[in-house]
Amino acid sequence: DAKTTQPTSMDCAEGRAANLPCNHSTISGNEYVYWYRQIHSQGPQYIIHGLKNNETNEMASLIITEDRKSSTLILPHATLRDTAVYYCIAETSGSRLTFGEGTQLTVNP
Amino acid sequence: GAVVSQHPSWVICKSGTSVKIECRSLDFQATTMFWYRQFPKQSLMLMATSNEGSKATYEQGVEKDKFLINHASLTLSTLTVTSAHPEDSSFYICSARSQKNTEAFFGQGTRLTVV
Repeated sequence: DAKTTQPTSMDCAEGRAANLPCNHSTISGNEYVYWYRQIHSQGPQYIIHGLKNNETNEMASLIITEDRKSSTLILPHATLRDTAVYYCIAETSGSRLTFGEGTQLTVNP
Repeated sequence: GAVVSQHPSWVICKSGTSVKIECRSLDFQATTMFWYRQFPKQSLMLMATSNEGSKATYEQGVEKDKFLINHASLTLSTLTVTSAHPEDSSFYICSARSQKNTEAFFGQGTRLTVV
């Protein structure tokens, strides 16, 4: 499992884009980058994942650098309901997901 | 996304008793299920991984005789906390993954309080 490093906390204004960075400099070629978030006292929610290419879905966009050593999760128009802890995980497909400390994103009105 | 349901959402039990938590995948077949524990202000800690029809694989430091995991079908896994103690009070979360998907989906969690 590649180790990931994320900032402990970030703030974002409501309506603005939230860009959450993740460093995974030791990622191997077959490890995916997964993003989950956890709102207080709930189970984690899957957001998006990718291997090499940038990905976009209805929730977010995932930008992975060409060398795959880092990635950025983008919430294009953050709302108050996006306040949560965001976890970046690098794991091979089908293996267990181990969580780090994540980034506490606070969206401010 | 796929739906994973946990039951109960919360439970209070007396010390020394056993508690069973169920985890169901509602709209897909979960070939692999994971059980996590989360203490206040901490991240999720993986306890064990179970594949349908086989014994669970426990993480280092997790007592398999205390946390019994059964994954008898492709839609149901159970975690039984045996002889519960107050220090077992925690938020227990399951997740499930199908054979064809790389992502896992999580249940809403079960808050266990042992008194």
